[in-house]
Amino acid sequence: QVQLQESGPGLVKPSETLSLTCTVSGDSTSSNNYYWGWIRQPPGKGLEWIGIIYSFGRTYYNPSLESRVTISGDTSKNRVSLRLNSVTGADTAVYYCARGRTYNSGWHEFDAWGQGTLVTVSS
Amino acid sequence: DIQMTQSPSTLSASVGDRVTITCRASQNIRSWLAWYQQKPGTAPKLLIYAASTLESGVPSRFSGSASGTEFILTISSLQPDDFATYYCQQYESYPATFGGGTKVEIK
Repeated sequence: QVQLQESGPGLVKPSETLSLTCTVSGDSTSSNNYYWGWIRQPPGKGLEWIGIIYSFGRTYYNPSLESRVTISGDTSKNRVSLRLNSVTGADTAVYYCARGRTYNSGWHEFDAWGQGTLVTVSS
Repeated sequence: DIQMTQSPSTLSASVGDRVTITCRASQNIRSWLAWYQQKPGTAPKLLIYAASTLESGVPSRFSGSASGTEFILTISSLQPDDFATYYCQQYESYPATFGGGTKVEIK
């Protein structure tokens, strides 16, 4: 059974870079059957799709964050990473990594999620 | 971006009630819609995908349906474990977008 575990600093200063890692066990990030994504949820609010990465390295980002976000993968370590530059208080959220299914030549639903990690942006 | 409008935002119901939650897409998403359940302090859990396909292991009291750009999640008989927040998500086009959520509370 796949498990996803987010890790990284819980506190980031304004204007600095948020960096998180998602370590995957029980599956391979190089599998063609899945893609890997990041989703965030501000405290008490709804879910926001940040972006995704396919096993072959192609990425797609939310246009609202695209100028500040980078998602990368390290298949040798079975990890997916998120970097978000120039953070502000509006970036305070629980950040989730998730596995999405690919089939019929398309990208589909998220079927497995990490437990999430709270990142607070504050000086 | 495709906007997903979910209603109601809050729903009060009793155990045994039939509950319906609606999600409307701002444009055609075919059947590329998923429903998730989220309990406080935990990650979302996939319930339904492709608008009406029940995820493995999910109780059969959950069902999904679609008509045009309107999608419905139905819980046929609400159980104590079902009090949670429910989100829809479209994956027809990038960026994927979520509905605002429906909190199902105890009446």
